[in-house]
Amino acid sequence: KNEVEQSPQNLTAQEGEFITINCSYSVGISALHWLQQHPGGGIVSLFMLSSGKKKHGRLIATINIQEKHSSLHITASHPRDSAVYICAVGGSNYKLTFGKGTLLTVNP
Amino acid sequence: NAGVTQTPKFQVLKTGQSMTLQCAQDMNHNSMYWYRQDPGMGLRLIYYSASEGTTDKGEVPNGYNVSRLNKREFSLRLESAAPSQTSVYFCASSSGTSLLSSYNEQFFGPGTRLTVL
Repeated sequence: KNEVEQSPQNLTAQEGEFITINCSYSVGISALHWLQQHPGGGIVSLFMLSSGKKKHGRLIATINIQEKHSSLHITASHPRDSAVYICAVGGSNYKLTFGKGTLLTVNP
Repeated sequence: NAGVTQTPKFQVLKTGQSMTLQCAQDMNHNSMYWYRQDPGMGLRLIYYSASEGTTDKGEVPNGYNVSRLNKREFSLRLESAAPSQTSVYFCASSSGTSLLSSYNEQFFGPGTRLTVL
């Protein structure tokens, strides 16, 4: 079973700061997902990546397959970025294994 | 498009009662999933369905049953609710089939908050 570890568990930042959230996993994967869960509970997919780097607006996700590690970066953070960010990894089947999430709070 | 819808949004049950959580998607997705989310734990897969007519157990299937009624609908049934089943339940769907499913984005419903007394 793949173990997925996220760090930090909690992160507080000031508006405008550069933020990094890390995800490590124990077993080789086919894909890694980053998800965002809003305070109201809704979950949306941010990225799916299997290699390299993806960028969407102020969000950047990178993955290092050899080191079994991924990072999610947020540039110029804003209070509306406050949410729980979840890393999930998938193997050669239908199933994703989820990390426990990182609670990000961005203060104005 | 409504995406993934779930009913009800909230439910309180007494121990031993039964209920069915409903999920529907209008994106013509093949795969559908039921997860539970508990404080301090990641989302855990209860059951999934890779295609219409097939269902398989996930990580925590005990105490639950599912039905893939058609391509759109995937229901989760608690036959005899227990306090340990107090949780937030999420339904999700993705377009993937077979070995490629983990490459496909999963779309989540809004969740059902269930309390079992």
